[in-house]
Amino acid sequence: EAQVTQNPRYLITVTGKKLTVTCSQNMNHEYMSWYRQDPGLGLRQIYYSMNVEVTDKGDVPEGYKVSRKEKRNFPLILESPSPNQTSLYFCASSLRQGNPYEQYFGPGTRLTVT
Amino acid sequence: AQKVTQAQTEISVVEKEDVTLDCVYETRDTTYYLFWYKQPPSGELVFLIRRNSFDEQNEISGRYSWNFQKSTSSFNFTITASQVVDSAVYFCALSEAGSGNTPLVFGKGTRLSVIA
Repeated sequence: EAQVTQNPRYLITVTGKKLTVTCSQNMNHEYMSWYRQDPGLGLRQIYYSMNVEVTDKGDVPEGYKVSRKEKRNFPLILESPSPNQTSLYFCASSLRQGNPYEQYFGPGTRLTVT
Repeated sequence: AQKVTQAQTEISVVEKEDVTLDCVYETRDTTYYLFWYKQPPSGELVFLIRRNSFDEQNEISGRYSWNFQKSTSSFNFTITASQVVDSAVYFCALSEAGSGNTPLVFGKGTRLSVIA
């Protein structure tokens, strides 16, 4: 089954403790991205990757890092999480960047930073 | 710059009523794509529809219909004979065509509550 998976689905952590949210897709997609969803703000893009070893900042990249060492994986790294990074995070992938390639979303990761 | 406005933050209707969710967008591109996603209480994003800027035909899918009007930069979504299972947050999104990064730009969402 074609899908985007994220782990963990739920995470509660403390300020400053490094964490990684994994994202994996099994569709051989080139383009992957991370979004965060906050109440009243909709979803905003954090980082994106056009292909292996090609990543760049989206609209809200501060406090996050990403890597793309393999085509299928696109982990989101929070080196020193802060409470303002409490959010619902979505990973998305599409065959290539641009349209009409549909973006497939993962199930979401709900992160709470205390 | 791209922008999507969903002016209705929350809507509450009684089951079987029709309801329209508004979406107004801004873009300078002549080629772009519009989307609607549903987010049920479980949290996942469910893709509903994608339209390109050259196709202004309205679309109907069961109880769902979409009205795309370039003249007013709107892409409204109507649910006919609403059901409790339609209760969710609905997002309208825009993506410009291009060779670079083409992220989805989302509206803030409309929370629809359908009461039995």
